[in-house]
Amino acid sequence: DAGITQSPRHKVTETGTPVTLRCHQTENHRYMYWYRQDPGHGLRLIHYSYGVKDTDKGEVSDGYSVSRSKTEDFLLTLESATSSQTSVYFCAISGGTGGYNEQFFGPGTRLTVL
Amino acid sequence: AQRVTQPEKLLSVFKGAPVELKCNYSYSGSPELFWYVQYSRQRLQLLLRHISRESIKGFTADLNKGETSFHLKKPFAQEEDSAMYYCALSSTGANNLFFGTGTRLTVIP
Repeated sequence: DAGITQSPRHKVTETGTPVTLRCHQTENHRYMYWYRQDPGHGLRLIHYSYGVKDTDKGEVSDGYSVSRSKTEDFLLTLESATSSQTSVYFCAISGGTGGYNEQFFGPGTRLTVL
Repeated sequence: AQRVTQPEKLLSVFKGAPVELKCNYSYSGSPELFWYVQYSRQRLQLLLRHISRESIKGFTADLNKGETSFHLKKPFAQEEDSAMYYCALSSTGANNLFFGTGTRLTVIP
């Protein structure tokens, strides 16, 4: 597996609380992505980053913010979690020898918002 | 706008039978198409991409621009092929992927 870790791997939280998920890579890839995976929707892009401090919105960015202060870390924050944000969140990276479109995925974080 | 459609949520085949997972796309330019696979308790991983035109684990996929399809095929399914399969598209100049909703393949022994 590419050197991508996500923390925490599982989290249960209550509606209205802030939540931060972390993605850490050791591959020095330029691009990093956050997706959510939901039954019937597949993977949907939340935000992505094309460099330190450079981020852009994806398909389902409402309610989420991201930050990338260094190459290896990409943080996803839910400012005030809602039950609709219960999902499995995947981080991905790209920009290696396979090109920018070959993405490598982390193990996922299962988030439950009660 | 880009769209990737996988019409089958679930697909079951017997071991040794041929399998075809369908993927259709809509995009006005020249897309790059991919198949990703997620085995049980494993990470999502790239299975193959159309530009490489290679066969991985016996799977092949041909881009048909006329039918806007990129179906995944294997002549003889194996039990270890049971997994979730996602078709994905990257548009010209973009660095992100649009995924279909996925097809869960079950190979019956």
